[in-house]
Amino acid sequence: EPEVTQTPSHQVTQMGQEVILRCVPISNHLYFYWYRQILGQKVEFLVSFYNNEISEKSEIFDDQFSVERPDGSNFTLKIRSTKLEDSAMYFCASTAGMGTEAFFGQGTRLTVV
Amino acid sequence: GENVEQHPSTLSVQEGDSAVIKCTYSDSASNYFPWYKQELGKRPQLIIDIRSNVGEKKDQRIAVTLNKTAKHFSLHITETQPEDSAVYFCAATGNQFYFGTGTSLTVIP
Repeated sequence: EPEVTQTPSHQVTQMGQEVILRCVPISNHLYFYWYRQILGQKVEFLVSFYNNEISEKSEIFDDQFSVERPDGSNFTLKIRSTKLEDSAMYFCASTAGMGTEAFFGQGTRLTVV
Repeated sequence: GENVEQHPSTLSVQEGDSAVIKCTYSDSASNYFPWYKQELGKRPQLIIDIRSNVGEKKDQRIAVTLNKTAKHFSLHITETQPEDSAVYFCAATGNQFYFGTGTSLTVIP
């Protein structure tokens, strides 16, 4: 069964550093998402991406964040100048279309120290 | 954007009893309502979903009901088993997936 894969599984970074979280969505999917989950809390929407551009972003997704689909397979989330409060599990998800099942990656646990 | 509220935040039931989790949403344009189960340290996985043109859907021990007029939908788990213990998230989707705050379900053997 196809699945969404994310790398790395765990990333530790110094406060102020930049990190790039990587995702490989399911190959025939068209919509891509990043979500954040602070430990023990809800899954929070960050951004959605379709047709090589951001289709919607939340208040969380400020200038510190950016997304990119550099080639036909990868979908990346860049966090500039990381802060302690950026520590969370980051999930990538993809869907084949609107109103269809979202498949989640296994997550990247980001720890900012 | 959409606002999804989910209750209760924690739920403990005895094995074999039923569990009910309720969600409300705000955007009448939302038309797809999935439920995800997240086991500790794992990714959310779809367990059941319902579309706005359907009022109820059942899959073995799991059922979901949707009241579009009232903008609420519920997850029903019957004959609960210890392996049902997890965090359950509802979501309402129009253009995006907006998740509820999650319900931590514990099934006591």
